[in-house]
Amino acid sequence: DSGVTQTPKHLITATGQRVTLRCSPRSGDLSVYWYQQSLDQGLQFLIHYYNGEERAKGNILERFSAQQFPDLHSELNLSSLELGDSALYFCASSAAVGGGTEAFFGQGTRLTVV
Amino acid sequence: GESVGLHLPTLSVQEGDNSIINCAYSNSASDYFIWYKQESGKGPQFIIDIRSNMDKRQGQRVTVLLNKTVKHLSLQIAATQPGDSAVYFCAENGGSARQLTFGSGTQLTVLP
Repeated sequence: DSGVTQTPKHLITATGQRVTLRCSPRSGDLSVYWYQQSLDQGLQFLIHYYNGEERAKGNILERFSAQQFPDLHSELNLSSLELGDSALYFCASSAAVGGGTEAFFGQGTRLTVV
Repeated sequence: GESVGLHLPTLSVQEGDNSIINCAYSNSASDYFIWYKQESGKGPQFIIDIRSNMDKRQGQRVTVLLNKTVKHLSLQIAATQPGDSAVYFCAENGGSARQLTFGSGTQLTVLP
């Protein structure tokens, strides 16, 4: 158990809909990262938050947004969903503000858009 | 842009043999590298890391080698076991805010 909790584990929704994925980082970790993993693909970095502030954006679509709350949990919002958004979405947390330490991953949310 | 890439998408080894998984990186500013193991349906799990001031680091049955001259990283698994079957990703902190950037992964299959 990495200590990172993601909910829900599975999500099935229709095109055009909006969903929210939730991540609780390891106790004490201030950094939260979101990654997308499509079928047979690597992990694509989406966005990084540190202590409530956005630190970096990767290949995140404008239809997607995220935030980190004062209690350090984070939410990834996906709107106007398309079939191609079907993927595994992972959250990772680390103690550092930058990538100089190990990041711990949650078990992911599998999103299926039908 | 900068990227991390893997030389082989799949690797099959006999149980008990040693495995070597390779990774090339292109961001010379990266100074921290990690190997992750991902089993089917699970999140990536940390295996071992190495900083750029080292060229070798050993863990339990695993060794990571870093060659900064040719920007190459490798993961060696000794006495490979069936439980080692998984996808292995290398990652570097080469992102714009030094976030981890991942390679495309190598599927390791351990044959009985």
